[in-house]
Amino acid sequence: LAKTTQPISMDSYEGQEVNITCSHNNIATNDYITWYQQFPSQGPRFIIQGYKTKVTNEVASLFIPADRKSSTLSLPRVSLSDTAVYYCLVGDGGFKTIFGAGTRLFVKA
Amino acid sequence: EAGVAQSPRYKIIEKRQSVAFWCNPISGHATLYWYQQILGQGPKLLIQFQNNGVVDDSQLPKDRFSAERLKGVDSTLKIQPAKLEDSAVYLCASSLGGGRAQYFGPGTRLTVL
Repeated sequence: LAKTTQPISMDSYEGQEVNITCSHNNIATNDYITWYQQFPSQGPRFIIQGYKTKVTNEVASLFIPADRKSSTLSLPRVSLSDTAVYYCLVGDGGFKTIFGAGTRLFVKA
Repeated sequence: EAGVAQSPRYKIIEKRQSVAFWCNPISGHATLYWYQQILGQGPKLLIQFQNNGVVDDSQLPKDRFSAERLKGVDSTLKIQPAKLEDSAVYLCASSLGGGRAQYFGPGTRLTVL
């Protein structure tokens, strides 16, 4: 079971790139790394998932080093609407899915 | 493609009463999750189903909570009797399994008075 550690909160300004790092030192061979975004009064929303190296979609990029003990979610040119809580989740879909407390990102004008 | 459906969206009950929540996952998703999210905290897994079998219910308070997933599709989560500390948002999610992305419903906000 891979435990994750993320910063509790981050502040940014509109138009900046935001990088949120998640540590998962005991990640297992079969584990994926998945990031979710949650707005108040809504369920978490899938952002991106990866296994190794780099993954990019229309919303974000996910960087995973070779040892896979950490990962970085990169949000390009954030806007006020990116203010949310971001969760890093590590697992293979099996026993004990655990969300941490997440990172509260606050984007300022 | 339709998302995960949950009902009701809001429920207010008094302590010691019973309540039930319903979830309809995305079609074809074998794995279904129920989470409890208390204000200011991350979602806490209550139970995980793979088709209609239980994968993990280690954090489900079994003296008062129960869940079932008949025919491997819809699921219900029941609380009987409710306590004040059960006030939370109950989230249902589904996935294709094997660690792939979970897709969440809008949640049910439960208030126990």
